[in-house]
Amino acid sequence: DTEVTQTPKHLVMGMTNKKSLKCEQHMGHRAMYWYKQKAKKPPELMFVYSYEKLSINESVPSRFSPECPNSSLLNLHLHALQPEDSALYLCASETEPTSGNQPQHFGDGTRLSIL
Amino acid sequence: QQQVKQSPQSLIVQKGGISIINCAYENTAFDYFPWYQQFPGKGPALLIAIRPDVSEKKEGRFTISFNKSAKQFSLHIMDSQPGDSATYFCAASIPGNQFYFGTGTSLTVIP
Repeated sequence: DTEVTQTPKHLVMGMTNKKSLKCEQHMGHRAMYWYKQKAKKPPELMFVYSYEKLSINESVPSRFSPECPNSSLLNLHLHALQPEDSALYLCASETEPTSGNQPQHFGDGTRLSIL
Repeated sequence: QQQVKQSPQSLIVQKGGISIINCAYENTAFDYFPWYQQFPGKGPALLIAIRPDVSEKKEGRFTISFNKSAKQFSLHIMDSQPGDSATYFCAASIPGNQFYFGTGTSLTVIP
């Protein structure tokens, strides 16, 4: 079991639906990440939160809206998604945003399918 | 532009053999080089990592070899087992910056 917990594990939604993905970590990490991963491809960075503040937004469409309510929790709100948004969405955390030489710890992801 | 180049794309190895995956980079500011292992339906899990002041790091059957002058690093899996069949990603990072992942290698170990 990973120390980064993501829910739900699977999500099927229509293009007009609104849903949210949730990520939790209780390791005291102060950097949290959202990645999108397509089949047989590496994770693609979407957002980075450092000390609960959004520090990097990799030109992600506004239909994806991140939120970091506290240091342990990260949400990704979804609205009006497109079929090409179907992918595995991964959350990761890291001890400190600027320390370097530290691994990112990944959750097992949410498998998202857009109908 | 791919910051970290990884090869081969896929690899088939006999049980008990050595699996070797290679990565290369250009940015000399990179100072942390992790390898991740990912099984189907799971997130990437840290396997082993190295810093550029070390030329080799070994953990069990897994070894990273690092060549700073050539800007290359590789993962060696000794005595490969069917349970090692997974996708492997190398990565590189700069302090305070994001991780840059290689394109991945799908490893199949046949009994």
